[in-house]
Amino acid sequence: DGGITQSPKYLFRKEGQNVTLSCEQNLNHDAMYWYRQDPGQGLRLIYYSQIVNDFQKGDIAEGYSVSREKKESFPLTVTSAQKNPTAFYLCASSRPPPEAGGYGYTFGSGTRLTVV
Amino acid sequence: GDSVTQMEGPVTLSEEAFLTINCTYTATGYPSLFWYVQYPGEGLQLLLKATKADDKGSNKGFEATYRKETTSFHLEKGSVQVSDSAVYFCALSPNFGNEKLTFGTGTRLTIIP
Repeated sequence: DGGITQSPKYLFRKEGQNVTLSCEQNLNHDAMYWYRQDPGQGLRLIYYSQIVNDFQKGDIAEGYSVSREKKESFPLTVTSAQKNPTAFYLCASSRPPPEAGGYGYTFGSGTRLTVV
Repeated sequence: GDSVTQMEGPVTLSEEAFLTINCTYTATGYPSLFWYVQYPGEGLQLLLKATKADDKGSNKGFEATYRKETTSFHLEKGSVQVSDSAVYFCALSPNFGNEKLTFGTGTRLTIIP
């Protein structure tokens, strides 16, 4: 079955380290997204990509970086510049417009990042 | 710009009670509307959707009707179960251009046996 795989499910980072969260999809979706969710909070968009080799900043991009070298993959790096990285990170994908409007997003199961 | 407003939680109900979670939106044109559900420690799952006015989305006993006259998409269920305890997100998507999904802030629902 097609879907989105996020790994690892749990990740621990020491102060000052960069870490990379993996997101892979086999849905043949063009667009991919990264969201951050803090306890009891809604979703905040970090970065998104509508097509390979192109991506845009979302609402809270500072301290994060992404790449989109393949259609299937959209890894997120949490850099040491991100001062409060402990959160739940969600990856999603969607079909390109105009199809996207009627189908919404498919989400991965998330990665919980904790700074130790 | 587009926006989605959900009723604030948390919402606590007894098992078999009737559920309504309100959702209203602001958007140009004719967006598609969605309800997503998030169980503890998991990602969001699409619960139901409606793509045009007066459409009713339904799934797992949940229903929501796309009301353009009141710009609403309220989520309802006639008899909730403990397993329905989760966070529910309302969202909209424009049906044109490259616009992204706009999410509400989420409503946490707890069902007590």
